[in-house]
Amino acid sequence: EIVLTQSPATLSLSPGEVATLSCRASQSVNSQLTWYQQKPGQAPRLLIYDAFTRATGIPPRFSGRGSGTDFTLTISSLEPEDFAVYYCQQRTTFGGGTRVEI
Amino acid sequence: QVQLVQSGNEVRKPGASVKISCKPSGYMFIAHYIHWVRQAPGQGPEWMGRLNPSAGVTRYAQRFQDRITIGGDTTTRTVFMELTNLASDDTAVYYCARDSWDYVAHAGYSPPNDYSYMDVWGKGTTVIVS
Repeated sequence: EIVLTQSPATLSLSPGEVATLSCRASQSVNSQLTWYQQKPGQAPRLLIYDAFTRATGIPPRFSGRGSGTDFTLTISSLEPEDFAVYYCQQRTTFGGGTRVEI
Repeated sequence: QVQLVQSGNEVRKPGASVKISCKPSGYMFIAHYIHWVRQAPGQGPEWMGRLNPSAGVTRYAQRFQDRITIGGDTTTRTVFMELTNLASDDTAVYYCARDSWDYVAHAGYSPPNDYSYMDVWGKGTTVIVS
């Protein structure tokens, strides 16, 4: 079974800064990686699929890249509503999450 | 619009069972698998299993294999998940989520490389075991 390792566990940034989140797979998953955003008390929300394709309604400041085992989610300029926890996922496996905090 | 409406929060004693329902709307019920994912307090999501509503076929995570049942009713367009022999570490928020792949549109064929994701989620049902 694939293991997804996310880093860092917590990212402390200010609005307007760039957030770079990492997800590493224990074996190649080609480009089959998904990113979700979760805010407190809410369900996860689909952000990115196929490693780089933004879901409907997701603003362009969110971008994904990578293939094989190493993936990155970048938020180009943090908005107040972007402070949340982000999870990567491949099939039935989720990463441990990265909390982006103010 | 597509939405998944889940049943209300539950409190159970250890050893009991819980059955949670999920009612999708806004799309063809049989076209998309439904997943169940849970999230314990302060933890990440954990996949529990999935249902093919068209065929009634299920697949479960190994750790829940002996105490989970996922089923669906095409008449009422409802999916349920039952978990038995509850323990305190089953306290969590339980989500149903729609699989992204439309099997009807793709004539029953699986997605390339069997890759899909969860594109719409229910709001979650909190289960407290105490």
